Amino acid sequence: ETGVTQTPRHLVMGMTNKKSLKCEQHLGHNAMYWYKQSAKKPLELMFVYNFKEQTENNSVPSRFSPECPNSSHLFLHLHTLQPEDSALYLCASSQDLGLHTDTQYFGPGTRLTVL
Amino acid sequence: AQSVTQLGSHVSVSEGALVLLRCNYSSSVPPYLFWYVQYPNQGLQLLLKYTTGATLVKGINGFEAEFKKSETSFHLTKPSAHMSDAAEYFCAVSLTNFGNEKLTFGTGTRLTIIP
Repeated sequence: ETGVTQTPRHLVMGMTNKKSLKCEQHLGHNAMYWYKQSAKKPLELMFVYNFKEQTENNSVPSRFSPECPNSSHLFLHLHTLQPEDSALYLCASSQDLGLHTDTQYFGPGTRLTVL
Repeated sequence: AQSVTQLGSHVSVSEGALVLLRCNYSSSVPPYLFWYVQYPNQGLQLLLKYTTGATLVKGINGFEAEFKKSETSFHLTKPSAHMSDAAEYFCAVSLTNFGNEKLTFGTGTRLTIIP
């Protein structure tokens, strides 16, 4: 257990559905991240939040909408997704944004399948 | 821009044999380097990291890696493989950007241990 939980662990949705992924960290960290992990591709950073403020949007399509109501929770709202969006979505947190001193702790991920 | 190349998407070694997973990076400035491990159905876990100082870095589970600037490499080794080492391993590089550091990951190497 890394102290970062994600729900649901698996999600199957149609292209017209609206769903949300949830991430919660119990580590008292200030920074949270969403990554996309697709088969045979490197992890792709999607969004970064620091102290609830979005500091990075890595050219992610608007059908993905993040929300960070507080430093412990991070959501990823999904709507009108495409089959190519099927992937493992990983949430991570770190004490702050300083990677040279801080480690990113990852949740187990949500396996998303878009039909 | 920074990038990471992991040579070999699949590596198989016998139990008790040496584990060597290769990672080369490109970076215009001194990098920070990381190895993460992902066990089945789990998120990524930090194995070890190099920031500054000693170029031989020891991590968890008996793994170590050596930063070789002249070869732009950060290969991961373990003297004796154990069945529990079977997992996917990711090398990552980060360049400091004054508090907005980002990790760039390689495509991963799946390690199989042969009994």
